[in-house]
Amino acid sequence: GAVVSQHPSRVICKSGTSVKIECRSLDFQATTMFWYRQFPKQSLMLMATSNEGSKATYEQGVEKDKFLINHASLTLSTLTVTSAHPEDSSFYICSAASSLLSGDFTDTQYFGPGTRLTVL
Amino acid sequence: SQQGEEDPQALSIQEGENATMNCSYKTSINNLQWYRQNSGRGLVHLILIRSNEREKHSGRLRVTLDTSKKSSSLLITASRAADTASYFCATDLKGNTGKLIFGQGTTLQVKP
Repeated sequence: GAVVSQHPSRVICKSGTSVKIECRSLDFQATTMFWYRQFPKQSLMLMATSNEGSKATYEQGVEKDKFLINHASLTLSTLTVTSAHPEDSSFYICSAASSLLSGDFTDTQYFGPGTRLTVL
Repeated sequence: SQQGEEDPQALSIQEGENATMNCSYKTSINNLQWYRQNSGRGLVHLILIRSNEREKHSGRLRVTLDTSKKSSSLLITASRAADTASYFCATDLKGNTGKLIFGQGTTLQVKP
């Protein structure tokens, strides 16, 4: 199956700093990438949908100025947590999907291994 | 908001026993998917069942889907200690947005 990587796998930062997380699709072109957040012992919550070459669409309650998403190419999307605070500490997971010529999505999304962010 | 609810939240069984997890959702779907997540790790895609399918098998996994009840079940037969993980259902909502909405998950412990 397709491979999606995330970098870094773990990051620890001080409160107030910004952290960039990369999501790469290694062997296919991802027209769309999704960003999820998972707090300990909880489920994945969709944060935003990232389309190549256009602005991301954020889910209700997710601050777009705090979680900056850039999908500059068909293989790379980045999530920047700006001015991170301890409550932003979480596991961030991306997934990549591609659309068919018809515009419909293929069924399968490919998930990255996740990035553990700890804000001190 | 979360689409799905899963039960039980936690399940502990002996190796060799079967494990059944249930998932309910609220709105119309294109398909429903089940994922496994080992502690602190990424997701592993297990199986996808489309809205026009009722049952699907993959190895020791059996998934059912009842769209009239908006529910699905995942059965793991002859469980192994290595099956210990959290299991999530995720619904791909009608409208082809590609978004997956995850259930709360079931934590399965298989004791050797």
